[in-house]
Amino acid sequence: RKEVEQDPGPFNVPEGATVAFNCTYSNSASQSFFWYRQDCRKEPKLLMSVYSSGNEDGRFTAQLNRASQYISLLIRDSKLSDSATYLCVVNGVLYNTDKLIFGTGTRLQVFP
Amino acid sequence: SAVISQKPSRDICQRGTSLTIQCQVDSQVTMMFWYRQQPGQSLTLIATANQGSEATYESGFVIDKFPISRPNLTFSTLTVSNMSPEDSSIYLCSVEDLAGRQRNEQFFGPGTRLTVL
Repeated sequence: RKEVEQDPGPFNVPEGATVAFNCTYSNSASQSFFWYRQDCRKEPKLLMSVYSSGNEDGRFTAQLNRASQYISLLIRDSKLSDSATYLCVVNGVLYNTDKLIFGTGTRLQVFP
Repeated sequence: SAVISQKPSRDICQRGTSLTIQCQVDSQVTMMFWYRQQPGQSLTLIATANQGSEATYESGFVIDKFPISRPNLTFSTLTVSNMSPEDSSIYLCSVEDLAGRQRNEQFFGPGTRLTVL
């Protein structure tokens, strides 16, 4: 089983739509959770950290369900500029809690 | 967050040669990391660059193939040695910003796109 699993998509949605991505992680000892955004041929950029109580940043809402080992990202009122790959990321456990483990990403395409 | 630069941004190299990639940060950071992103895949950690001591390598990566230097808190290099076409990849450095709101928040350099012929 992969350490971090995501639906690769692509998700094709019209402008203004609401879209949700899900992610599962395998190790219950993980403590840090993130969503990164990666544009084509660019480096990943931190979109938001995911807190236990859930958190919101403008049109973006992240949720964490520790019992189910599940993370979600909701994007409201999608913009063309939201088109990118969204990477679910958790921290490593055991001997290296500083490392980040990346999912393979979910591709979003927003069309006019 | 810290500003991170990498050199070169891209290179095309011949099989059997070596390439050294530089990562420069505009502020002192404790943690620096090197990742690889192969075509169509996600990022994989190669090693943690430790200042003043040997890097800590992940399973599947060895010092002879990927020697790393970290002479101070703002600079690190990764060398890809004796390259083969399978080493064609994007190589990214990242730093953990202690000013981040959550532990383990990492910020990435722009990457080095390496093609080995």
